Amino acid sequence: GENVEQHPSTLSVQEGDSAVIKCTYSDSASNYFPWYKQELGKRPQLIIDIRSNVGEKKDQRIAVTLNKTAKHFSLHITETQPEDSAVYFCAASYNAGGTSYGKLTFGQGTILTVHP
Amino acid sequence: GAVVSQHPSRVICKSGTSVKIECRSLDFQATTMFWYRQFPKQSLMLMATSNEGSKATYEQGVEKDKFLINHASLTLSTLTVTSAHPEDSSFYICSARGGLLNSYNEQFFGPGTRLTVL
Repeated sequence: GENVEQHPSTLSVQEGDSAVIKCTYSDSASNYFPWYKQELGKRPQLIIDIRSNVGEKKDQRIAVTLNKTAKHFSLHITETQPEDSAVYFCAASYNAGGTSYGKLTFGQGTILTVHP
Repeated sequence: GAVVSQHPSRVICKSGTSVKIECRSLDFQATTMFWYRQFPKQSLMLMATSNEGSKATYEQGVEKDKFLINHASLTLSTLTVTSAHPEDSSFYICSARGGLLNSYNEQFFGPGTRLTVL
């Protein structure tokens, strides 16, 4: 099955700096890579996602890059703000028919702290 | 759109009792629902995949007789933790995926249920 590794486990930055979180995946069949932000005790919120036919996607201060050859993808947050502080999870999913139905495999999570 | 609800949000029960958690898609038909468990400071771990009208597919290491999943309609899936023990205490989150709503694999998450077994 799929295995997703996420680094770093914790990340501390100053307000206004950039933050980068990296993930690698093992299954070359994976074709959908979402990123989630989760605040304590809350549901994961999708912040950006990328399909395997795209190398980069940007949404305001957030961008994701995907390198299919190397099987890694990264989340980039620019001009960080204290409200960006949360746990961020990457995930990978594949459509292989049968009973897979697009199930997500999550990375271990990154605790991002943005200091004012 | 794409709202998923869970009930209850919190439950405290005694060891040995059973607890049922409901997951509902409020504004779309969920052909597939997923159940995750999240222990403190850990990632989400998929427990099972549930498709309407068929038996759930459990991940390796998840006891299907202990975690009963029913997906009786396109808007409701239930997870029953049978004979709960303190080690079952966790944050249980469902997600739903509807083929007509989105063109890819996006899942919409419920708010989670905090289960505490005394």
